[in-house]
Amino acid sequence: QKEVEQDPGPLSVPEGAIVSLNCTYSNSAFQYFMWYRQYSRKGPELLMYTYSSGNKEDGRFTAQVDKSSKYISLFIRDSQPSDSATYLCAMRRNTGGFKTIFGAGTRLFVKA
Amino acid sequence: EPEVTQTPSHQVTQMGQEVILRCVPISNHLYFYWYRQILGQKVEFLVSFYNNEISEKSEIFDDQFSVERPDGSNFTLKIRSTKLEDSAMYFCATGLAADTQYFGPGTRLTVL
Repeated sequence: QKEVEQDPGPLSVPEGAIVSLNCTYSNSAFQYFMWYRQYSRKGPELLMYTYSSGNKEDGRFTAQVDKSSKYISLFIRDSQPSDSATYLCAMRRNTGGFKTIFGAGTRLFVKA
Repeated sequence: EPEVTQTPSHQVTQMGQEVILRCVPISNHLYFYWYRQILGQKVEFLVSFYNNEISEKSEIFDDQFSVERPDGSNFTLKIRSTKLEDSAMYFCATGLAADTQYFGPGTRLTVL
């Protein structure tokens, strides 16, 4: 079983839709959970990070962590064509040397 | 807005040669990382560096690789005796704290 699983998509939605992106993980030691956006041939851009369980909101983005289910989500409200990118989940333990494990990324297309 | 910079943007080398990839972190950041991303694959952790020493490294980061901060500002990744399979995008990331990482634009390494 992979440590972090993420559906690669692609996911195609119309402009204005609510987008739901998800990851599951197997390592119960993960405590920090991040979402990155990556445009083609660019470096990942940090969108959200959450420590332990709960929700966090920033503008049109909401991150949710359910540690009991080992499941994290990113919701994008009022999606825009400029949101078209690959979304990467990432996570790491609270201890150790900060090794971060990334999901494979979900490609999102928002159609105008 | 400050950002992580990386040089060169593209490096072409012959198999067996040594390469040095350079990163200029955001000023006052204390945590440094290298990742690689083979074309079409996920972002993979190589190494984290804090307080002038490696804090964690992955199984990919073998004796072929080394990192250092030669002048207290730049952060470098050296790959000795490059192999064809080292061809990838290499990303530097830095953070003020351990819970966030800001990525540079990457160096595309092509080994012929």
